[in-house]
Amino acid sequence: DVKVTQSSRYLVKRTGEKVFLECVQDMDHENMFWYRQDPGLGLRLIYFSYDVKMKEKGDIPEGYSVSREKKERFSLILESASTNQTSMYLCASSSPDRRSYEQYFGPGTRLTVT
Amino acid sequence: QKEVEQNSGPLSVPEGAIASLNCTYSDRVSQSFFWYRQYSGKSPELIMSIYSNGDKEDGRFTAQLNKASQYVSLLIRDSQPSDSATYLCAVNIQGNNRLAFGKGNQVVVIP
Repeated sequence: DVKVTQSSRYLVKRTGEKVFLECVQDMDHENMFWYRQDPGLGLRLIYFSYDVKMKEKGDIPEGYSVSREKKERFSLILESASTNQTSMYLCASSSPDRRSYEQYFGPGTRLTVT
Repeated sequence: QKEVEQNSGPLSVPEGAIASLNCTYSDRVSQSFFWYRQYSGKSPELIMSIYSNGDKEDGRFTAQLNKASQYVSLLIRDSQPSDSATYLCAVNIQGNNRLAFGKGNQVVVIP
């Protein structure tokens, strides 16, 4: 079974703090993704990565950065947390199989910025 | 037009009935289509993948794909209270590894 883990289930941070969210997958997947999910807005892609040290902006990259130093680990960084970044953050991974593109999600991190 | 659209509003079905969910997409080159189930407070879980026109059955779930009309549907037969969740439709876009997700349909199975 594919396993994607995220470093925290719940996190509370203060405005202006630097926040690190970590994601690890054990399936040797090349592709990894960070989404946020908000009521009424659905899943929105923040950043994704096709390979180690590669990153691509998604639909809402502002205020975020990412790091992928190892194939199995993809980190999301909030440089200076703001209250509008309070959300559920979901990490996913997939293989580059053209026919597949199946994405598998981690359990999510519910971040509250106060 | 949005990339992936799911008809809005919760769907209430009695236990044992069939729940039917529909999804339309805009990208004609899309080749991979998925249904995810998401329980409240949890992350999405992949339940069906379909790549060819026609029907694909897996247990009580059937996915139907019609590329000419650009829609994909999900049928849940013999609905159970444990099927109460939000179902997300996802489609790969632009021939790359990204998926576009619909906003989801909430299904409520009434015992």
